[in-house]
Amino acid sequence: DGGITQSPKYLFRKEGQNVTLSCEQNLNHDAMYWYRQDPGQGLRLIYYSQIVNDFQKGDIAEGYSVSREKKESFPLTVTSAQKNPTAFYLCASSMATGTDYGYTFGSGTRLTVV
Amino acid sequence: GNSVTQMEGPVTLSEEAFLTINCTYTATGYPSLFWYVQYPGEGLQLLLKATKADDKGSNKGFEATYRKETTSFHLEKGSVQVSDSAVYFCALSSNTGGFKTIFGAGTRLFVKA
Repeated sequence: DGGITQSPKYLFRKEGQNVTLSCEQNLNHDAMYWYRQDPGQGLRLIYYSQIVNDFQKGDIAEGYSVSREKKESFPLTVTSAQKNPTAFYLCASSMATGTDYGYTFGSGTRLTVV
Repeated sequence: GNSVTQMEGPVTLSEEAFLTINCTYTATGYPSLFWYVQYPGEGLQLLLKATKADDKGSNKGFEATYRKETTSFHLEKGSVQVSDSAVYFCALSSNTGGFKTIFGAGTRLFVKA
């Protein structure tokens, strides 16, 4: 079955470390997205990509970086510059860019700074 | 800019009760509207959508009607089950917002047996 796979499910980071969250999809979707979810809050957009080798900043891109070298993959790096990285991170994809397309989400990665 | 406002939760209901979760939006252009559901520890799942005014989206007993005159997209279900306990997110996507989807803050629903 097609879907989005995020790994790892849980991730622990020490202060000053960079960590990379994996997101892979086999839906043949063009667009991919990274969201951050904090307890009791909605989703905030970090980065998004509409095609391979192209991506745009979302509302809270500072302290994060991404790449889109393959259509299937959109990894997110949380850098040491991100001051409060503890959160639930969600990757999503959609068939194309457009208003009618809903998103398919992965099951998320919970990142904790120790 | 575009925005989505949902009723604050949590909403607590007994099994077989009627559910309404209010959602209103602000958007320029002609947005599409969505409801997503998130079960504990999981990602969001698309529940239903409506892409133009007066459309009704429905799935698994849930339904919502796109009301342009009141800028609303309220989620309803006639008889909730314990398994419906989750967080529900209203969302919109508009061509004037760069096609990005904007999510409401979410409404937590508890259903008691």
